[in-house]
Amino acid sequence: DIVLTQSPGTLSLSPGERATLSCRGSQSVTNNYLAWYQQKPGQAPRLLIYGPSSRATGIPDRFSGSGSGTDFTLTISRLEPEDFAVYYCQQYGSSPWTFGQGTTVEIK
Amino acid sequence: QVQLVESGGGLVKPGGSLRLSCAVSGFTFNDYFMSWIRQAPGKGLEWVSYISYTSTYIDYADSVKGRFTISRDNAKNSLYLQMNSLRAEDTAVYYCARGTVTTAGLFDYWGQGTPVTVSS
Repeated sequence: DIVLTQSPGTLSLSPGERATLSCRGSQSVTNNYLAWYQQKPGQAPRLLIYGPSSRATGIPDRFSGSGSGTDFTLTISRLEPEDFAVYYCQQYGSSPWTFGQGTTVEIK
Repeated sequence: QVQLVESGGGLVKPGGSLRLSCAVSGFTFNDYFMSWIRQAPGKGLEWVSYISYTSTYIDYADSVKGRFTISRDNAKNSLYLQMNSLRAEDTAVYYCARGTVTTAGLFDYWGQGTPVTVSS
């Protein structure tokens, strides 16, 4: 199974700042099939980025994804108040599909 | 609009059984792979099981293999998860999620989840 390790565990930033989240795989992600989801308290996850740099429908362009192989990054260019949440990476290139443990982006 | 609504969660004793349902609307159900994904309290996400359009292909996480059974009824636009021999570690919110048209394991729509608590 591919283990995804996200860092940092928590990111404390202010609105308007840039957020950079990392996701590293224990082995190469097939076809770079790597996605990012956002989850707010009490809500289901929401797909943000896939493949690993395409934005899902309706996702603002301040969210961007990059990377290949084992190393991937989610960048939020300027944090809006609604962006403070938990972010998960997920690989869907090989079964079983697996998720990282999450990065919390909190207000500083 | 696309909607997925889970039901059937609740409190069950260790060793017991529960059947979850997911009613979908707003899209052609039998065009999509569907999955169950769970989240233990305060923890991350774990994919549990998937089923293909006509139930030809099914797979499970090792943690539930032999205890859980996924199924679907395309005529009723519904997805199910039969959970037997439940353990404390199965306690979680269970989400149903839709795979995209091209990629079964990429989840573009999720339900709001149904909580399952396994405790004596």
